[in-house]
Amino acid sequence: EVQLLESGGGLVQPGGSLRLSCAASGFTFSSYAMSWVRQSQGKGLEWVSSITGNGASTYYVESVKGRFTISSDSSKDTLYLQMNSLRAEDTAVYYCAKCPSLVNGWCDNWGQGTLVTVSS
Amino acid sequence: QSVLTQPPSVSAAPGQKVTISCSGGSSNIGKNYVCWYQQLPGTAPKLLIYDNNERPSGSPDRFSGSKSGTSATLVITGLQTGDEADYYCATWDSSLNIGVFGGGTKLTVL
Repeated sequence: EVQLLESGGGLVQPGGSLRLSCAASGFTFSSYAMSWVRQSQGKGLEWVSSITGNGASTYYVESVKGRFTISSDSSKDTLYLQMNSLRAEDTAVYYCAKCPSLVNGWCDNWGQGTLVTVSS
Repeated sequence: QSVLTQPPSVSAAPGQKVTISCSGGSSNIGKNYVCWYQQLPGTAPKLLIYDNNERPSGSPDRFSGSKSGTSATLVITGLQTGDEADYYCATWDSSLNIGVFGGGTKLTVL
């Protein structure tokens, strides 16, 4: 059974940093692209970042470029999102997802999400 | 403002059929397959349809998808109260080089 368990969320001040982790199990981690998707309270889904299975390619939504860094560690079957220079508008639930077909936008397994709150 | 456009809400009675549209452009829907997610209140999104019209294991055959040009459609037949949820279309945008979602459609089963 595929499991994705996010952690690392919390309250951080504007301008601060946070690192999210997503521990994966139940599948060959290095064979799949992984993504981070966020959702602000009461709002829709926003695709934040993706990484290919071999880690060679990374992708970001424009609003986080230069501030967020996605990475993965296949020895630990873990996906990361390093978030720097955080802004109030980054406040959201962050989901990690396993994406068998990145180019067609589908992700078949999702974590339960971790809440990031950026506030002073 | 979402890259893909969906109606904010749709509603229908139990047993009826509902259609949810998703409109995009040449760099996203016009170029790549479309998928659909269902998000029940307080839960993570769940993949409902992928590659325009394929259903993952466990997705009921009451849900079907199609694509034409730069638009896609989700059809739900035999509506049940348990279908009340938010529905999102998604695909990859080859110009933005990132995945994109529609704004979501809230389905109410009256």
